[in-house]
Amino acid sequence: QAQLQESGPRLLKPSQTLSLTCTVSGGSINSDDFYWSWIRQHPGKGLEWIGYIYYSGRTYYNPSLKSRVTISVDTSKNQFSLKLSSVTAADTAVYYCARAPGYCTDGLCYRYFDLWGRGTLVTVSS
Amino acid sequence: DIQMTQSPSTLSASVGDRVTITCRASQSISSWLAWYQQKPGKAPKLLISKASSLESGIPSRFSGSGSGTEFTLTISSLQPDDFATYFCQQCNSYPYTFGQGTRLEIK
Repeated sequence: QAQLQESGPRLLKPSQTLSLTCTVSGGSINSDDFYWSWIRQHPGKGLEWIGYIYYSGRTYYNPSLKSRVTISVDTSKNQFSLKLSSVTAADTAVYYCARAPGYCTDGLCYRYFDLWGRGTLVTVSS
Repeated sequence: DIQMTQSPSTLSASVGDRVTITCRASQSISSWLAWYQQKPGKAPKLLISKASSLESGIPSRFSGSGSGTEFTLTISSLQPDDFATYFCQQCNSYPYTFGQGTRLEIK
C-alpha cells in the first residue's frame, strides 16, 4: 500500500522560499501510470491545484502560481519536491502531495487524485 | 479557468436520509469530474472518478451522475461516518479546479 508523506519547514517569513518534499513509500515514483501533484488548502477554504510532475520531469503548473513555482523529482530517493518563491501571508495553507492517475484517451489524460499525504500546514508570518 | 460551483454550501440531514449534492461547471467538462470527501484535519479521500466510477472500497451508498456541466453526488442512506465536507474537481482541462465544498452536517 503506497503512502505519501510531506516534510519541510512549517514557518516562513515573507519573501522567503517555501520548500517541501513528498516521500513516496510502498511504491515507485517511476511509474508510467501516475503524475505526482501538489495541492494546497487555505485555512477553512477550498482546494487549489498547484501543479504536478511525471517521473521523467515533465511538469504542468497552475498559471496563477506558475511564475513562483518549481516542482522537481528525485527518482533515486523516490521523492518529489515543491518550491514556491517570494511567499506572503496569502500562501499560508495546508500543503498536500497527492498521486494522480488518470483516464488516458486519444493522447490526452484526465487526472484525479487517488492517494494523498496527510498534509502539512505552512504558515507565513513576520 | 473552469469554475466549479457546488450547492448547497451546507446541508443538514439525518442518519438514513438520502442526500444529493450538485456541482456545476462553467463550461462543459464531459464526464471528467471527481468527488472527494474530507473530514476535519484530514486529507481529502477520493470517492468517485469520471463522474460515476466508484473507487474501490467506497460503499455503494455513494453514487455519482451527470455529464457536461451538471453533476450530482448522491448518498442513498446517510451513515454517521458520512458527515463531512464534499468537494468536486474537474480534470477536463488545466488548471484543474475544485468546487468550494459542501458541508454535510447532522440535523
